[in-house]
Amino acid sequence: KNEVEQSPQNLTAQEGEFITINCSYSVGISALHWLQQHPGGGIVSLFMLSSGKKKHGRLIATINIQEKHSSLHITASHPRDSAVYICAVSDSGGSNYKLTFGKGTLLTVNP
Amino acid sequence: ETGVTQSPTHLIKTRGQQVTLRCSSQSGHNTVSWYQQALGQGPQFIFQYYREEENGRGNFPPRFSGLQFPNYSSELNVNALELDDSALYLCASTVEGGAYYGYTFGSGTRLTVV
Repeated sequence: KNEVEQSPQNLTAQEGEFITINCSYSVGISALHWLQQHPGGGIVSLFMLSSGKKKHGRLIATINIQEKHSSLHITASHPRDSAVYICAVSDSGGSNYKLTFGKGTLLTVNP
Repeated sequence: ETGVTQSPTHLIKTRGQQVTLRCSSQSGHNTVSWYQQALGQGPQFIFQYYREEENGRGNFPPRFSGLQFPNYSSELNVNALELDDSALYLCASTVEGGAYYGYTFGSGTRLTVV
């Protein structure tokens, strides 16, 4: 069973700051997902990656497969980035694609 | 049709009752997973359906059951509701090989058991 740990649990930043959220997992995966969840529940998929780095706008996600670690970076943070950011991993192998989730990081960006 | 739609958005039930939650996936998404998210926690895997058959289950009792239909819709049924079943229930769908193509999530159903 994969264990997914995120840090920090809570993060408060001032508008414009550079944000980093970390995720580590315990066993091999086929892919890692970064998700955003706003109050009310809806989850939006930000990134899915299995190696290297991906960038979308002000968001950057990196993964180190050997170290079983991923980071989500937000450059020039804005109050609208305030949300819960969740790391989830897809089990490797087989046809069971279930995701194992971390507990999430609550990000608050103040103006 | 794009996106994943869940209904209802909110629901209040009494302990001991039964509930059915629905998820409508986008066309072609033959894999759907259901998750339970308690307040302040990450989602927990309930089960997954692939081509209308359950093909994976998390640590949930048999009173949690599901169905998947040929039109890419699915249901989560919970019998004999308990207070601890109060949570946000999320469905996520994908095409075969979802680990490589990503998931689309619904907005969830908030279930309150009183």
